[in-house]
Order: sequence, then structure tokens, then C-alpha cells
Amino acid sequence: DQQVKQNSPSLSVQEGRISILNCDYTNSMFDYFLWYKKYPAEGPTFLISISSIKDKNEDGRFTVFLNKSAKHLSLHIVPSQPGDSAVYFCAASDGNKLVFGAGTILRVKS
Amino acid sequence: EAQVTQNPRYLITVTGKKLTVTCSQNMNHEYMSWYRQDPGLGLRQIYYSMNVEVTDKGDVPEGYKVSRKEKRNFPLILESPSPNQTSLYFCASSLLPGLTDNEQFFGPGTRLTVL
Repeated sequence: DQQVKQNSPSLSVQEGRISILNCDYTNSMFDYFLWYKKYPAEGPTFLISISSIKDKNEDGRFTVFLNKSAKHLSLHIVPSQPGDSAVYFCAASDGNKLVFGAGTILRVKS
Repeated sequence: EAQVTQNPRYLITVTGKKLTVTCSQNMNHEYMSWYRQDPGLGLRQIYYSMNVEVTDKGDVPEGYKVSRKEKRNFPLILESPSPNQTSLYFCASSLLPGLTDNEQFFGPGTRLTVL
């Protein structure tokens, strides 16, 4: 039973446009959410996070939105750049461990 | 430089031959964890450790062992590897979960093939 779901295996976006990656979770005990980016042959790297007491967190081109009632979060990348092409993992924490989604492959076309 | 190191990076072995994948971090983190990444399944936690001599099972612990004798090291042990343990393995470390801005730092990964 996947507690964190990323239903889109892949997403293709034109350079300069917005990329929106979605994530749903089922466990109401999760109180901290993170996005990680992974390039081939490298470990995941932290991108941005949000606490459950907030509904939005912004860091440069990256914004994460949290809708607790819908148990849904999304990552917006504006504007998208070719270097953003990677696998993006959504993760949720209950204070003891992180649970990851399956990942979404983002391709930004120039 | 703050980092998590894993060795080996690549390993091909045969069924039943015991192996150890080492993991070391230089950030004095309390929390360390092992994940495996499989297509369509994302990263699944194998074991985690809150501190020295404190370890606990993650979501997929079967067939694996860990130890945490020192704060910086967290080896992953496969006593009798099987083909279904062929995967990409990541070690990670962080401050204790539950703290704000708590990101996990990941190692570069170990690609294991069990024949």
C-alpha cells in the first residue's frame, strides 16, 4: 500500500514554461514534506520542503503547495530550464522516517 | 566537504555469497538510513538508525542486516543475497527526523547485481 503516490511517471515541458509535479499521500500523520531531485548516476538531492503548518513555500524558481484537506502537494517550477530535467521524488515524514513516492521523470525541451 | 560515501559503487555477486556495503558520513548526523530504488517503486526504506546502537526496520527489511557501532558508519549486510535483491541502494543521513528543514543527504548509490 503506497502511502505516497506520484501518479504521473513522466512529464514533458517546453523550456520557459511552468512544470507542475503532483503528489498525493494517505497517512494523516505525515507532518513534513520534501521534494528531491535525482540525476542519473547520482544520489537524490534535496530541493525544497514544507511543514504541515504552511500551505506554500517558495525558493527561487521552485514553489511547493500543500493542500492538507486533499492530502495533496505539488511542486511548481517557473520558468523551467533544460537543466531541470531529472527524476523528482516527493517524500513525506511522520517524524520517524521518510516515505518516498515512485518519482516523476521531468523532461524540459529546449 | 559534507558528504555521504558508499562503497562499492558497483558490485556483481552470486546467490548466497555474503556481502557488505559500507556507508560513512562526516556531518555528525544522528540519523542514517538505507534505501533501495527499483523501477516504478521509488525509494523504499530498508533500515534506519536514530543513533549509535539504535536501529529499526523500514518498509522492506527482509534479507538485510545493519549495524551502528559508530555514529559515522552504517553498513548494510546481505548475509545470503538473492536475485530479488538486485537493485540500486542509497545510504542517507540527516539530523533526527521531525526537526524543521531536515533534509537527508544521500550517498552516490551502489548498484548491486545478484546472479
